Amino acid sequence: EPEVTQTPSHQVTQMGQEVILRCVPISNHLYFYWYRQILGQKVEFLVSFYNNEISEKSEIFDDQFSVERPDGSNFTLKIRSTKLEDSAMYFCASSPTGGAVREQFFGPGTRLTVL
Amino acid sequence: ELKVEQNPLFLSMQEGKNYTIYCNYSTTSDRLYWYRQDPGKSLESLFVLLSNGAVKQEGRLMASLDTKARLSTLHITAAVHDLSATYFCAVGNQFYFGTGTSLTVIP
Repeated sequence: EPEVTQTPSHQVTQMGQEVILRCVPISNHLYFYWYRQILGQKVEFLVSFYNNEISEKSEIFDDQFSVERPDGSNFTLKIRSTKLEDSAMYFCASSPTGGAVREQFFGPGTRLTVL
Repeated sequence: ELKVEQNPLFLSMQEGKNYTIYCNYSTTSDRLYWYRQDPGKSLESLFVLLSNGAVKQEGRLMASLDTKARLSTLHITAAVHDLSATYFCAVGNQFYFGTGTSLTVIP
């Protein structure tokens, strides 16, 4: 069964460093999402992406964040200059459709630790 | 910002019993989602509700949406241990999440 994959599973970085989190969505899916979840807390939406453009983004998704689909298979989240409060689990998701129906399929997550 | 509240936050119930989780939200929205998360795991989509009066059922779980009351419910029928997890609702195009309901089903 097709699944969303994410790499790395755990990333440790120093404050101020750039990190890139990678996701490979399910191959025929059209919509892509990033979420994060600080340990023990609720899930927070970051951004949705369709047709090589951001379609929605939250207040969290400021200039420090960017997304890209560089090669038609990967979907990346870049954090330009990490802060301690960026430490969280980051989940990628993809969906075959958007608009009215948005069942999403989630990857296993990348745990980001900022020291 | 749209506020989403779930209650209860924690729910311990016996196998075979029924219970309902509530999701209230602060401003009008035409879409609501339910997810499940097992401890230490990723999220799983359960239901997408798109219109007032929408009802969806999968196994022992049934979700409904009342957009006028800004309320969704997730009803659990005859709970079994496998349903133990955290359940989140999320609302709107920007997926505002509730705080989650941690459900434990006791034999």
